[in-house]
Amino acid sequence: DQQVKQNSPSLSVQEGRISILNCDYTNSMFDYFLWYKKYPAEGPTFLISISSIKDKNEDGRFTVFLNKSAKHLSLHIVPSQPGDSAVYFCAPLTQGGSEKLVFGKGTKLTVNP
Amino acid sequence: NAGVMQNPRHLVRRRGQEARLRCSPMKGHSHVYWYRQLPEEGLKFMVYLQKENIIDESGMPKERFSAEFPKEGPSILRIQQVVRGDSAAYFCASSSKTEAFFGQGTRLTVV
Repeated sequence: DQQVKQNSPSLSVQEGRISILNCDYTNSMFDYFLWYKKYPAEGPTFLISISSIKDKNEDGRFTVFLNKSAKHLSLHIVPSQPGDSAVYFCAPLTQGGSEKLVFGKGTKLTVNP
Repeated sequence: NAGVMQNPRHLVRRRGQEARLRCSPMKGHSHVYWYRQLPEEGLKFMVYLQKENIIDESGMPKERFSAEFPKEGPSILRIQQVVRGDSAAYFCASSSKTEAFFGQGTRLTVV
């Protein structure tokens, strides 16, 4: 079941630069797209979401872009900080509740001081 | 995500014993998910439940694992006759139509 793909297992950026994390999906019925950050030994923490009727949502240093025609979304973090180092997961959600919440395999972001 | 409560946080069981993991969803959330994370791996979906109903259990091992979400009380993930390979972090999430939050997980160690 590969409804969600995060093709980059890891990403390393310099502090202050932009981090771009990508996510591709296959099911056009998803209504919301959620991003989570996960530190080792902790539960995933909700970061930001975007509705399928929008193409951009911004919250502080975090911006998520959605390209529905390409079935692609990306999370931009700018400026990146060392505390952003974590594994990032994208997860689409169907409003009707009939589809399970599926996750990509995650991208491990390392922000170097 | 502090609203989703999982207990215990750590659980040690001997091989052959039963493990019971509990998850209390956030207030107002009617759906619960269970995930397993093995060392060096991502979150693997196990089961998706609504109150008194299993919606999708395609990620559950065929034997020894079961889950329930009763009308009253927390969701329970039950693992019978645990083996060393069951050692992992088990995460629960609860969702509404537009959001989903995770608990801090239960780390199961089978000795």
